Amino acid sequence: EIVLTQSPASLSLSPGERATLSCRASQSVSSYLAWFQQKPGQAPRLLIYDASNRATGIPARFSGSGSGTDFTLTISSLEPEDFAVYYCQQRSSWPRTFGQGTKLEIK
Amino acid sequence: EVQLVESGGGLVQPGRSLRLSCTASGFTLGDYPMSWVRQAPGKGLEWISFIRSKAYGGTTEYAASVKGRFTISRDESKSIAYLQMDSLKTEDTAVYYCARDCGGGGCYYYFDYWGQGTLVTVSS
Repeated sequence: EIVLTQSPASLSLSPGERATLSCRASQSVSSYLAWFQQKPGQAPRLLIYDASNRATGIPARFSGSGSGTDFTLTISSLEPEDFAVYYCQQRSSWPRTFGQGTKLEIK
Repeated sequence: EVQLVESGGGLVQPGRSLRLSCTASGFTLGDYPMSWVRQAPGKGLEWISFIRSKAYGGTTEYAASVKGRFTISRDESKSIAYLQMDSLKTEDTAVYYCARDCGGGGCYYYFDYWGQGTLVTVSS
């Protein structure tokens, strides 16, 4: 099973700042990695797929990069609605696995 | 508009069974792979089961934590996906989401649509 480790576990930033979230895989997942955003009481929302492609309707301030074992989600300028928990997820091999999440909090 | 609506959650005793339903609209259920993902209270996301599209034989995959106890299926005539959960354990307590895999526009095999979730509580 591929283990995804996200860092940091939590991040406190202010609106307008840049956020950089990391996800490291225990073995290569090529580019088969997605990022999700989850707000309290809501289902997750797909942000990025195949490491760097924005899903439909996702603002351009969200970007993804990386391949192999190291991946990054960047939010270029935080909006108030971006404070949430973010998960990475791989589809390279079964079982599909998620990282443990990074909680992005308002400073 | 694509919509997924889960139902069937509730309180159940350890060792008993429960069947969850995911009613799909806005797309043809059999044309897309579907998954169930769960989230224990205050915890992260855990993928637990998957069914391939009709074109790929509708074969299934399961997480080790539920293999042999849970069964995913679908009824295309009703546009409903199911998760039959047997021999439930207290650690199965979670919100259960159904999710559709994207299948076009360059996006394949990622969860692009999710239901709102249904809570399953396993307790005596």
